[in-house]
Amino acid sequence: EAGVAQSPRYKIIEKRQSVAFWCNPISGHATLYWYQQILGQGPKLLIQFQNNGVVDDSQLPKDRFSAERLKGVDSTLKIQPAKLEDSAVYLCASSLSIRDTEAFFGQGTRLTVV
Amino acid sequence: QKEVEQNSGPLSVPEGAIASLNCTYSDRGSQSFFWYRQYSGKSPELIMSIYSNGDKEDGRFTAQLNKASQYVSLLIRDSQPSDSATYLCAVREEGNTPLVFGKGTRLSVIA
Repeated sequence: EAGVAQSPRYKIIEKRQSVAFWCNPISGHATLYWYQQILGQGPKLLIQFQNNGVVDDSQLPKDRFSAERLKGVDSTLKIQPAKLEDSAVYLCASSLSIRDTEAFFGQGTRLTVV
Repeated sequence: QKEVEQNSGPLSVPEGAIASLNCTYSDRGSQSFFWYRQYSGKSPELIMSIYSNGDKEDGRFTAQLNKASQYVSLLIRDSQPSDSATYLCAVREEGNTPLVFGKGTRLSVIA
């Protein structure tokens, strides 16, 4: 079974530029999460989707971050404009259903904002 | 604000010893508890889950949960250098709430 796929693996941008990350969850997984992990800290939830609907985006900085999951499968996370403090690893995770307690993570995208 | 607290470490143990990792959480409504292992530069990997009070063993790993004390721990027996990683405690309520992670404890197993 293929795991959660993310791209790109690494990205370096200048502040005020925009960037987009892509995630393809495990086949059949209805729930998809985007987490932000700053160096030395645990992952922090940005947004949770159930199919193509948003379940929780309370910690998403909506003035600069946006995410979508149009067909209930792949998802994109966008930052525009980026700030220095957005430098982090962006992790995508998926689970079979919203009540499924096991979440599986992709390899992440390491973003450096200079 | 739901919080999950872990000692950041590093926790250093000699090879073959028992490593004990601890986690406390603030939300009494939490129902599901997880330990993830994260190697440097890699993504978190689920190693244990526990849902009821008591101990749960899986190979060299034992998770312990005490809901009254809001405390969950992970014991690693016969620690190996390959166990050196950051261990993340994660907690979840029932229903559609997402995982809340602690900052992780860095474990170093010395050969």
